[in-house]
Formats: sequence, structure tokens, C-alpha cells
Amino acid sequence: QVQLEESGGGVVQPGRSLRLSCTGSGFTFRNYGIHWVRQAPGKGLEWVAFISFDGDYRESADSLKGRFTVSRDNSENTLYLDITGLRAEDTALYYCARDFEERCGGDCYLDSWGQGTLVTVSS
Amino acid sequence: DIVMTQSPDSLAVSLGERASINCKSSQSVLYGSNNKNYLAWYQKKPGQPPKVLIYWASTRASGVPDRFSGSGSGSDFTLTISSLQAEDVAVYYCQQYYSTPPLFGGGTKVEIK
Repeated sequence: QVQLEESGGGVVQPGRSLRLSCTGSGFTFRNYGIHWVRQAPGKGLEWVAFISFDGDYRESADSLKGRFTVSRDNSENTLYLDITGLRAEDTALYYCARDFEERCGGDCYLDSWGQGTLVTVSS
Repeated sequence: DIVMTQSPDSLAVSLGERASINCKSSQSVLYGSNNKNYLAWYQKKPGQPPKVLIYWASTRASGVPDRFSGSGSGSDFTLTISSLQAEDVAVYYCQQYYSTPPLFGGGTKVEIK
């Protein structure tokens, strides 16, 4: 069955950098666009970033541009989210989620989600 | 950006009663060439990832009970739970996927009265 598993979260000091990973299995990873979505404690879902199936198209939330970079390695069935200059407001559970359809250009709903990895920014 | 606005922020409904959640987009998410509304509803329970309930505004996802239904077109949408069950206590989010960024609404918390 389709599985997505995030990793790389933890407690990080403000200003530091972090790389989150998302590994997919049970489907042809290289054919699907993947999104990052986060949820801060007590807050709603916030879309963070998207990368197309082939990595050619990437987009991130305007408020996060410059600090959040999404990439992927289809040979390893893995997606990455690099975050620099971490701030307290980046504290959240970070999910990766798959487009429902192969080779979708970002205009797809999200049909499969990982369990999330928790990032806590604190000194 | 297409901004999604949900109402109410929360609602309490008796078991077996109807719950309705509204979602409004700042511009139409109806794509003219295929007549589809690029609008999805998700259910989020504590400790679990979001789960898609409805896509294309009114198509129920696989395995979703038929007490959940979606309606609306253009910029105004509604998620209805026809007969609230205890397991439906959750936060519900709408999301447009018409254009990037695919923003979510602020969420509606559904509780038992």
C-alpha cells in the first residue's frame, strides 16, 4: 500500500538549519508530485511547498520563500525539505503528502499523507 | 493567491443531527474546460494525518461514509455530515487545488453537543 514516511525532525536552536526527508513506498515515486504541509501547535494546516514528479517545477509559500527549499532524489524514492534560519514560528508537525494523480502539475488534491515529523525550534 | 475562508470556526451538534460547514474561495475554483471545481475537504483528528473526504467538491473518497457530502460550485461550498457520529469529532479543512499555492481554509472544529 502507499506509504510516506517523514524523518529528520527534532529540537533545533533558532537560526540553525534542518533537512527533513520523506520516503515513499508502495507506489512509483518518480511519477508523483509531493507537497509539504505543516501544522503548528493549536493551529490549522499550512501548505509549505510542492515539487513536481520530475523535480522540474518547485513552489513554496510566499512567506517562506528564501528559507524553505524542496528537492527530490527519485533514485532513492526520497523528498527533502531544507529549512534555513529556523524561527520559533517554524515549530510544527511537518507532513509530506502525495498528489492523487501521476504527473500532476500541482493542481491535485492530496490523497496520501505521512504521519509527520515534529520540528521544535527552541534555545 | 486564492484565499479560503471557512465558517463557522467551531460547531457543536447533537449525535444524529446534521452538521454543515461552509467554505468560500476568494475567486472561482471552477475550471471552465472540464466543469470541475478544484475543491477538496479533509478531516483531521488529533494524532492522525489529514484524510481526504471529498474531492472535485462533491466526490466522496473511497471508504468515506455516505453521511459525508459536499456541494457547491464556483466560490461557495458546503460540507455536510447528515447524521453526526461520535467518530466524526474532528477538525475539517477545505483546500483549493485550482492554482498554486493550494491554500487551506482555517478549519472548523466539530464537537458533540
